[in-house]
Amino acid sequence: SQKIEQNSEALNIQEGKTATLTCNYTNYSPAYLQWYRQDPGRGPVFLLLIRENEKEKRKERLKVTFDTTLKQSLFHITASQPADSATYLCALDGPDDKIIFGKGTRLHILP
Amino acid sequence: NAGVMQNPRHLVRRRGQEARLRCSPVKGHSHVYWYRQLPEEGLKFMVYLQKENIIDESGMPKERFSAEFPKEGPSILRIQQVVRGDSAAYFCASSSGQLSHSEAFFGQGTRLTVV
Repeated sequence: SQKIEQNSEALNIQEGKTATLTCNYTNYSPAYLQWYRQDPGRGPVFLLLIRENEKEKRKERLKVTFDTTLKQSLFHITASQPADSATYLCALDGPDDKIIFGKGTRLHILP
Repeated sequence: NAGVMQNPRHLVRRRGQEARLRCSPVKGHSHVYWYRQLPEEGLKFMVYLQKENIIDESGMPKERFSAEFPKEGPSILRIQQVVRGDSAAYFCASSSGQLSHSEAFFGQGTRLTVV
């Protein structure tokens, strides 16, 4: 079955630096990959979608890459701010058009 | 524009009771997904519905759990004879079409506690 791996350890980044989160997957060739942000006690919020034929996607301070050979996506936040602190979830398209989530990585931006 | 509305936000049930979780999708959205999340765990897919149809229920336990999305009204996730292991946050998401072309909007979740 499909397996999605995100770094389970929290990531601490100094304010102003670039935060990079990793999403690896196995046993699957997704047509697209999504990234979501989730704050404590809240529902996930969609950030970006990148398709298999796209290498990179940007939105303001966010950048996502998608390497189908390595089976990996990298999620970057440049000029990070304390307000960026949250859990970031990677999600892949599953059979029958549902999305399958990784466990997420907690990001702490230190002032 | 109202987003996905879930109610109640918090629900406490005794073992053996029934839990009904409601989800009103974004207006005009016909695709609804239910997910379950345990503390420190990712979102686990339960069921995908379109109006009056269950498309994929592969993540939903066969016993005690059911879901519907009627022509009129909210989607309902129903858990009969709840047990302590059912305690979790249940999230609903909706989309206007296939997720390869449209984003999923999530509600704030219903936190079910079974005592």
